[in-house]
Amino acid sequence: AQKVTQAQTEISVVEKEDVTLDCVYETRDTTYYLFWYKQPPSGELVFLIRRNSFDEQNEISGRYSWNFQKSTSSFNFTITASQVVDSAVYFCALSEGGAGANSKLTFGKGITLSVRP
Amino acid sequence: EPEVTQTPSHQVTQMGQEVILRCVPISNHLYFYWYRQILGQKVEFLVSFYNNEISEKSEIFDDQFSVERPDGSNFTLKIRSTKLEDSAMYFCASRGLIASDTQYFGPGTRLTVL
Repeated sequence: AQKVTQAQTEISVVEKEDVTLDCVYETRDTTYYLFWYKQPPSGELVFLIRRNSFDEQNEISGRYSWNFQKSTSSFNFTITASQVVDSAVYFCALSEGGAGANSKLTFGKGITLSVRP
Repeated sequence: EPEVTQTPSHQVTQMGQEVILRCVPISNHLYFYWYRQILGQKVEFLVSFYNNEISEKSEIFDDQFSVERPDGSNFTLKIRSTKLEDSAMYFCASRGLIASDTQYFGPGTRLTVL
């Protein structure tokens, strides 16, 4: 069975601080996909990134960066120079792949990030 | 940019009533999903739908729930006799054919059962 653990529940930082959101996953599949979604106060789920299990390259997109490490089953998300608009709930999610896979998403409990001015 | 849409944005109903939540997935997507998020909790998988049939469902998706794709564009979730504990945000999502494709979510329908 697949499982996603986001041990941090709430993080509060001051604007311009860097912040890292942790995600640890469990799966028996060798092919799987990891995701981060952002849920702002308005409630929608906004896709941020997808990572395939066979691609351990880290990724940077503007102020966002992701560190995928299969050895520790972690997929951490760092926001550099945080801004008030980054305040949201961030979910890490996992889907198992392979031919014919339904690829349902299993979500972690989410991390509430508050960025204070 | 194509997006998933959901209607209504907010539905208030009395316990025991039937509700239908509607979704229009992205037009060339083939897999459709419903998820539920009780207030303040994590997002939970309810059901996946492919090729006009349910491909997987969770324990939450009991006999009170059903899904349908009545035409080429809509995807609906019906709750036959709502309970107080059905109050939640319901998200529809869709993705393309490949398992690695990203699931894109609609804005959600907030269901309140009184």
